[in-house]
Amino acid sequence: EPEVTQTPSHQVTQMGQEVILRCVPISNHLYFYWYRQILGQKVEFLVSFYNNEISEKSEIFDDQFSVERPDGSNFTLKIRSTKLEDSAMYFCASSVGASDTQYFGPGTRLTVL
Amino acid sequence: KQEVTQIPAALSVPEGENLVLNCSFTDSAIYNLQWFRQDPGKGLTSLLLIQSSQREQTSGRLNASLDKSSGRSTLYIAASQPGDSATYLCAVRGSNFNKFYFGSGTKLNVKP
Repeated sequence: EPEVTQTPSHQVTQMGQEVILRCVPISNHLYFYWYRQILGQKVEFLVSFYNNEISEKSEIFDDQFSVERPDGSNFTLKIRSTKLEDSAMYFCASSVGASDTQYFGPGTRLTVL
Repeated sequence: KQEVTQIPAALSVPEGENLVLNCSFTDSAIYNLQWFRQDPGKGLTSLLLIQSSQREQTSGRLNASLDKSSGRSTLYIAASQPGDSATYLCAVRGSNFNKFYFGSGTKLNVKP
């Protein structure tokens, strides 16, 4: 069964460094999402992406964040200058259509020191 | 802003019991609602998706209902098994359908 994959599974970085989290959505899906989950807290929506542009973003998704679909398969989340409070599990998800089931990847645990 | 609440926060039941997990949301103008399962340290597994025009969805031992006007959804698990132990999350897609709002989850423990 097709699945969303994410790399790396765990990323450790120093505060102020840039990180890129990578995702490969399910191949025939058109909508892509990033979420984060700080330890012990709710899953929070960050951004949705369709047709090579952001369709919606939350208040959390400020100028330090960016997303890109650099080729036909990858979907990336870049955090330009990481802060301690960016430490969280980051989930990528994809869906065929906007109203369809979202399928989540296993997540990338980001630790900012 | 949409707020999603799940009650109870934790639930421990003996194997074989039927149980109900609750999800409530403050803004009834939703597009759809999705129930997920999350195992410790893992991603989210989709269980059921209910569109705003639907009243319920079923998959195996799971049945999810939606009452949009009262802002409630329930997930019914029949004949619970130890393998059902996980955190169950509900997520509501807002009326602009590009934002998802999650509840805090119900942590279920099914004892053998």
